[in-house]
Amino acid sequence: AQSVTQLGSHVSVSEGALVLLRCNYSSSVPPYLFWYVQYPNQGLQLLLKYTSAATLVKGINGFEAEFKKSETSFHLTKPSAHMSDAAEYFCAVTTNNAGNMLTFGGGTRLMVKP
Amino acid sequence: EAGVTQFPSHSVIEKGQTVTLRCDPISGHDNLYWYRRVMGKEIKFLLHFVKESKQDESGMPNNRFLAERTGGTYSTLKVQPAELEDSGVYFCASSQWGGSSTDTQYFGPGTRLTVL
Repeated sequence: AQSVTQLGSHVSVSEGALVLLRCNYSSSVPPYLFWYVQYPNQGLQLLLKYTSAATLVKGINGFEAEFKKSETSFHLTKPSAHMSDAAEYFCAVTTNNAGNMLTFGGGTRLMVKP
Repeated sequence: EAGVTQFPSHSVIEKGQTVTLRCDPISGHDNLYWYRRVMGKEIKFLLHFVKESKQDESGMPNNRFLAERTGGTYSTLKVQPAELEDSGVYFCASSQWGGSSTDTQYFGPGTRLTVL
């Protein structure tokens, strides 16, 4: 079985500051990892995914994440926060043994201060 | 291309009543998933259809929940009778048939169910 932990249910940054959202996973087999974002009144939108190719994954809207097996982490970063980045972010994991079932973390709500 | 759509967006019902949620996947997507987020908790998998067949229903909480996907197009999720703990946001997602765990799942906006 796999699991995901997102440290910090709420993160607040100033506009222009670095965004760092933490995600740690647990899996007994090689994982595939995803970051989704949910803006108010919208569905979850894929930001990026790790599928065992490059460990540094670039996504949409300037976000990127690095897969670190030794740390079992897949933290999401963005160099400079924009007001439009305010949303809830979800990290998810799946494996070849899990079919297509995604296991999600609890979510992190990002607030951006002007 | 239209995304995944869900109806209704909100539903408020009394305990013991029946509610049916509907999901229309992206056209041509064979895979359809239901997930649920109970207040303050993680988004959890309920079940997975491939076309009209249930591939995995290991996440369905109990037999008060019935999911169908007649004809392999839209899907319905019926809760009968609804209980207070069924309140939450129900998400539907779809993906193309590629047979890979890395296929992107596209999510709808969710249906917020409140059971009073």
